[in-house]
Amino acid sequence: KAGVTQTPRYLIKTRGQQVTLSCSPISGHRSVSWYQQTPGQGLQFLFEYFSETQRNKGNFPGRFSGRQFSNSRSEMNVSTLELGDSALYLCASSPTGQDGETQYFGPGTRLLVL
Amino acid sequence: QKEVEQNSGPLSVPEGAIASLNCTYSDRGSQSFFWYRQYSGKSPELIMSIYSNGDKEDGRFTAQLNKASQYVSLLIRDSQPSDSATYLCAVGAGTYKYIFGTGTRLKVLA
Repeated sequence: KAGVTQTPRYLIKTRGQQVTLSCSPISGHRSVSWYQQTPGQGLQFLFEYFSETQRNKGNFPGRFSGRQFSNSRSEMNVSTLELGDSALYLCASSPTGQDGETQYFGPGTRLLVL
Repeated sequence: QKEVEQNSGPLSVPEGAIASLNCTYSDRGSQSFFWYRQYSGKSPELIMSIYSNGDKEDGRFTAQLNKASQYVSLLIRDSQPSDSATYLCAVGAGTYKYIFGTGTRLKVLA
């Protein structure tokens, strides 16, 4: 099976712009979670989607949003970018997102905000 | 606020030694625990999952869980330079969410 894929792999944006990141889960996986990883804060949970519905959300401002399509692919959007949004954005998929399932990570999108 | 704590390291061990990585968590109701390895510039990859108290072995890796003490550890036997990475502890927080520690950086010295 192909793994989780994320596009683009690298992005450079300037403050105030917006960005959209894409994630395609492993075939058959319907749960997609997004994380932000920074050197100081580690991996922080952004949100989780299943069957096009957001089921949980982390403590991030409303500038961070996401959605999931009927084929389980997911996108996250960050509007009005700030310097502090520079990070590695990771998505992870699992079959149903139930507690105890292993999450499989994509390669990540590295975002640099100038 | 549910938390997962790890010593950031670096933990340095000589090649061939046992590396011991530790993780504590705050939510007594947590039921699932995972260890991921992350090489610099790469994404996390699963090493082991553990759900019951006691030890679980997989090759050179042993995960240990003690729910009463809210403690999970990872032992790496016969450590190799290729084991040098950051090791992330993750805890299932229920409601479709996992909480990660900030990771322990392991250096295996040849």
